[in-house]
Amino acid sequence: DAGITQSPRYKITETGRQVTLMCHQTWSHSYMFWYRQDLGHGLRLIYYSAAADITDKGEVPDGYVVSRSKTENFPLTLESATRSQTSVYFCASTQPSGTYEQYFGPGTRLTVT
Amino acid sequence: GQNIDQPTEMTATEGAIVQINCTYQTSGFNGLFWYQQHAGEAPTFLSYNVLDGLEEKGRFSSFLSRSKGYSYLLLKELQMKDSASYLCAARDSNYQLIWGAGTKLIIKP
Repeated sequence: DAGITQSPRYKITETGRQVTLMCHQTWSHSYMFWYRQDLGHGLRLIYYSAAADITDKGEVPDGYVVSRSKTENFPLTLESATRSQTSVYFCASTQPSGTYEQYFGPGTRLTVT
Repeated sequence: GQNIDQPTEMTATEGAIVQINCTYQTSGFNGLFWYQQHAGEAPTFLSYNVLDGLEEKGRFSSFLSRSKGYSYLLLKELQMKDSASYLCAARDSNYQLIWGAGTKLIIKP
């Protein structure tokens, strides 16, 4: 199906484990983003990518790693999960034309125990 | 620093009108977005303003004053399905979105 998808939708992991959240979009948008959303906070940017093989840090990058070998995929890896990384993670994409509105995936709810 | 302020929660009655305010401070400014987010779902785009004035889109309108760093979202003829959080986001000089914490709108019959 066309659009932006994320997997898994729900994940429970233990402190210290590595976990990878997947994001896939079918629009060939050049820009992709990873946000986390926590109660009382706005969406906070973790990493973004302007194109394949180009990534940059956002507001809260510590503890996260990204890669973008293909335009359509933008995985986010938590190298050693901590309880403070319990959150809802949203992937988004946009094309730099017009209003640049971002389109969001359905989110991944991650719990670190 | 960069900051977006919007009320945490508002309550309104079905059929009425509600205005959700947003003030912003950003390093440069390249537009103001409003998104709607139903509980447990992803944000979805509602409106975009880059010039001063009112943009109307059906029951929803959005206003921007760049000189005052102020925007509002106006929802008319409220329906129960409008119960959601409304997120204000300003785009800075690096074309990054700075997000407010969201306003939870509760609609009562």
